[in-house]
Amino acid sequence: AQSVTQLDSQVPVFEEAPVELRCNYSSSVSVYLFWYVQYPNQGLQLLLKYLSGSTLVKGINGFEAEFNKSQTSFHLRKPSVHISDTAEYFCAVRAGGGADGLTFGKGTHLIIQP
Amino acid sequence: NAGVTQTPKFQVLKTGQSMTLQCAQDMNHEYMSWYRQDPGMGLRLIHYSVGAGITDQGEVPNGYNVSRSTTEDFPLRLLSAAPSQTSVYFCASRSDWYEQYFGPGTRLTVT
Repeated sequence: AQSVTQLDSQVPVFEEAPVELRCNYSSSVSVYLFWYVQYPNQGLQLLLKYLSGSTLVKGINGFEAEFNKSQTSFHLRKPSVHISDTAEYFCAVRAGGGADGLTFGKGTHLIIQP
Repeated sequence: NAGVTQTPKFQVLKTGQSMTLQCAQDMNHEYMSWYRQDPGMGLRLIHYSVGAGITDQGEVPNGYNVSRSTTEDFPLRLLSAAPSQTSVYFCASRSDWYEQYFGPGTRLTVT
């Protein structure tokens, strides 16, 4: 069965500092991995995705993630955060069992402190 | 393109009432799905559809029905609402490259 573990429910970081949001997964099917961002009272927006190929994936808003098969991880990074990055971040993997859809982690709330 | 639209934005129901959450997309995507979001739980897949006339269950299907008569629309029906169905509901459609596009959500409260 597919599962996603986001190791931190909340990450406080100072503005202009680097950040890493951690994600580990388990999957019994071909691994497709995603990071989504949710701003308050809004829907989800795709930051980046890994389907195949290069393990370093660049996304929108300066975010990037690295797929590490041996460690079953897909951590999200940004070298310098801004107040506007304050949001909930979700890691997701393609659902298994023949289902079409995603299995999500529980989310990490990124809090940017001035 | 409007993308994925959902109506209503907010709804309050009494236990036992029924209602339909509407979802429509204008991107001609074959694949659509419904999720619910609860605090500290992330999003969980309720039902999905791989094309008109084809639907199947996700992780948490109990208490919900779906149908897909057209490519554009994928309504979610609650036949007899329960307080445990209080949640935020998101509809999504996806491209062939597995990019899911989410609607703005419907916040449902069941009293």
